[in-house]
Amino acid sequence: KAGVTQTPRYLIKTRGQQVTLSCSPISGHRSVSWYQQTPGQGLQFLFEYFSETQRNKGNFPGRFSGRQFSNSRSEMNVSTLELGDSALYLCASRRTGGAEQFFGPGTRLTVL
Amino acid sequence: GQQLNQSPQSMFIQEGEDVSMNCTSSSIFNTWLWYKQDPGEGPVLLIALYKAGELTSNGRLTAQFGITRKDSFLNISASIPSDVGIYFCAGPEFDRGSTLGRLYFGRGTQLTVWP
Repeated sequence: KAGVTQTPRYLIKTRGQQVTLSCSPISGHRSVSWYQQTPGQGLQFLFEYFSETQRNKGNFPGRFSGRQFSNSRSEMNVSTLELGDSALYLCASRRTGGAEQFFGPGTRLTVL
Repeated sequence: GQQLNQSPQSMFIQEGEDVSMNCTSSSIFNTWLWYKQDPGEGPVLLIALYKAGELTSNGRLTAQFGITRKDSFLNISASIPSDVGIYFCAGPEFDRGSTLGRLYFGRGTQLTVWP
């Protein structure tokens, strides 16, 4: 079974721009969660999507948004990028009701 | 949010030595997860624990779900160079018996293994 995939793997943007990251979950997994990882804050939860609906949201500003499609693929968008948004963005999928989350390789975003 | 305190922050050991790390929480968890992350990659699930007192092994790795449900331990026996990486403990948020999609993470233990 293929794992979680994320595209692109690396992105360089400038302040003020916006970015869209993509995540394809493990086949059959309908829940996708997104996390931001930085050296200063560690791994922090952004939001979770299930059946195209956002079910849970972390403590991030409204510039961070996401969506999920009918095939469970998910995207997250960050608008008006700030320097502090530079991070590794990870998505993870899990089976319905499961506790184990399986992570993709991440997208490394650098904001200049 | 819930805080997971993971220790030690880093370990420098010689190949062949055993390693122990632990994670404590201010609140109870129904599940404990242990992950390993290599540089530039996403965390990889090593072990999942579902019951207080449970002891689970995966090769040279052994993890325990603390009896109070507020802690967990991970041991690595006979370490090898490929054990190098960052180890994270994590616990999922739950509500009324259902597991939710948010994981709370410890800050990680950076393991270095000298040949």
